[in-house]
Amino acid sequence: GAGVSQSPRYKVAKRGQDVALRCDPISGHVSLFWYQQALGQGPEFLTYFQNEAQLDKSGLPSDRFFAERPEGSVSTLKIQRTQQEDSAVYLCASSLAPRVNEQYFGPGTRLTVT
Amino acid sequence: AQKITQTQPGMFVQEKEAVTLDCTYDTSDPSYGLFWYKQPSSGEMIFLIYQGSYDQQNATEGRYSLNFQKARKSANLVISASQLGDSAMYFCAMREASGAGSYQLTFGKGTKLSVIP
Repeated sequence: GAGVSQSPRYKVAKRGQDVALRCDPISGHVSLFWYQQALGQGPEFLTYFQNEAQLDKSGLPSDRFFAERPEGSVSTLKIQRTQQEDSAVYLCASSLAPRVNEQYFGPGTRLTVT
Repeated sequence: AQKITQTQPGMFVQEKEAVTLDCTYDTSDPSYGLFWYKQPSSGEMIFLIYQGSYDQQNATEGRYSLNFQKARKSANLVISASQLGDSAMYFCAMREASGAGSYQLTFGKGTKLSVIP
């Protein structure tokens, strides 16, 4: 499989729990993006990595959200003390280089906070 | 103000007919890119077509074409010869060149297309 993969595909968390969402980008892709997609809405930008450097985290909604990409490949989005408003699909996308047009998206992780 | 506006929450089209999905955008950046993505019920976003702000010709990719009207700030997607498999959500998105350098995409709210046999 050469595409972007994400795990888990579905996650149910009780309010207050911490969760970790994983993204495996396409091998060799420099750029990695996280987006949040609420039900019935378009995806909204969360954060961006160029290799291991987090260059833009302006879309993270609160300090409960944290993302990392320590070796410039796999990325993890962590949400601490989950709230009901965090329920959404979290999409990861990668592109070969920063200025390359096409972003390849993974299937997403659907997070439900109860 | 919304940067990407898709005014059609839902559209129906007869199989084998053409359909136009509307998208208008708002930016003061002279350099930008416009994208269309398809999202089937499985959830994955599939890239369809790209138009750069300086491109002289409208983009085409197979049955997809982008009707780019720069002065009107519109970038409508035209799907010719609709197929049942075209039933999905369609998102218009924009990338502005002079942002924080993250090349992030800003998406509209989407249009749900249903193809009728």
